[in-house]
Amino acid sequence: GESVGLHLPTLSVQEGDNSIINCAYSNSASDYFIWYKQESGKGPQFIIDIRSNMDKRQGQRVTVLLNKTVKHLSLQIAATQPGDSAVYFCAENGLPRQLTFGSGTQLTVLP
Amino acid sequence: ETGVTQTPRHLVMGMTNKKSLKCEQHLGHNAMYWYKQSAKKPLELMFVYNFKEQTENNSVPSRFSPECPNSSHLFLHLHTLQPEDSALYLCASSHPNIGGNTEAFFGQGTRLTVV
Repeated sequence: GESVGLHLPTLSVQEGDNSIINCAYSNSASDYFIWYKQESGKGPQFIIDIRSNMDKRQGQRVTVLLNKTVKHLSLQIAATQPGDSAVYFCAENGLPRQLTFGSGTQLTVLP
Repeated sequence: ETGVTQTPRHLVMGMTNKKSLKCEQHLGHNAMYWYKQSAKKPLELMFVYNFKEQTENNSVPSRFSPECPNSSHLFLHLHTLQPEDSALYLCASSHPNIGGNTEAFFGQGTRLTVV
């Protein structure tokens, strides 16, 4: 079946460094992608989205890159801060038009 | 706050109990969802409601029974659950645009423990 997955379950970065979280998807019909952040004890929180007619989108300290050729999505966080420590999920909104989530990457920011 | 409120935040219930989870959204959205989040697993979509009508049931056991009395409220009625049903249950809402693509806003979840 179709799936959304993440390359690494955990990622540790030094405070101030840039973080890159990767995601692979397999549904070629997916045309909308979202990154969510989930802190401990909270529900997932929207970070940034991108539609399939784009290959890059920037937000505040975050950038999402989409490579449709290899079905790959990445989230870049600039100048990572302790408050960025959380689990990050990618999600796709393909067919049927509902969100399918990956298993998540735990980002830990080291002091 | 995301505009989606879930109660209770924590629930412990025996396998013979009946309980209900409640979700309320104040965002004017017309779609609401129940997701199950188990440890080390992706979020699993359980039910989808659009304009109060159930449009998706992802092979969820009948011991989970959803109810959507209006576009702002969603319930999940629980009865005779099993220990493996222990998980974080997340409610979400969205307002699909014409293209059908929109982000979902999540509540804080109900942490359910079945004993």
